[in-house]
Amino acid sequence: AQSVTQLDSQVPVFEEAPVELRCNYSSSVSVYLFWYVQYPNQGLQLLLKYLSGSTLVKSINGFEAEFNKSQTSFHLRKPSVHISDTAEYFCALSAGTALIFGKGTTLSVSS
Amino acid sequence: GAGVSQSPSNKVTEKGKDVELRCDPISGHTALYWYRQSLGQGLEFLIYFQGNSAPDKSGLPSDRFSAERTGGSVSTLTIQRTQQEDSAVYLCASSSRTSGGLSSYNEQFFGPGTRLTVL
Repeated sequence: AQSVTQLDSQVPVFEEAPVELRCNYSSSVSVYLFWYVQYPNQGLQLLLKYLSGSTLVKSINGFEAEFNKSQTSFHLRKPSVHISDTAEYFCALSAGTALIFGKGTTLSVSS
Repeated sequence: GAGVSQSPSNKVTEKGKDVELRCDPISGHTALYWYRQSLGQGLEFLIYFQGNSAPDKSGLPSDRFSAERTGGSVSTLTIQRTQQEDSAVYLCASSSRTSGGLSSYNEQFFGPGTRLTVL
């Protein structure tokens, strides 16, 4: 069985501070890994993905995640957050078909 | 089409009634997925359609839930005899194709969801 665990349900931070949203996964087969973001009152959007190759993947808005096979982790980081990053973030995995999601982390950025 | 569309956007029903939720995938996408987003449970996979193959129903929580996909395009998720615990946002996603395993990957695009409230 495959599963995704997001270790923090809520992460409050101040603007311009760094942030890390933690994600661990469990799978007996190779998987793809994803971070999705859901802004308030909006749909789910793909933020970044790891399929193969370089273990460090980056999004266009400054987030990055590193695939660590030995620690079965795919933590999401940003060195300096903005108010507009306030959203719910979901880590997910796939072995090629349906996505298995973590329960989500609410990132709240305040000034 | 511009994206995945779902209707209705909101549905309020009484316990025991049946409901139908509709999903229109992106034109040309052969794979279609239903997920449920509920408080405390996060996002859960419900059912997956790929072309004309038999659907993967492994995520359906009970036999009150069913889904069909007509003509390989539009899909309808039906919940019979709704219960209060069925209250959630039901999300549909589509992708261009998938053959399973890691030999291919196609991004899933999500619709805006249908918020179901069972009173």
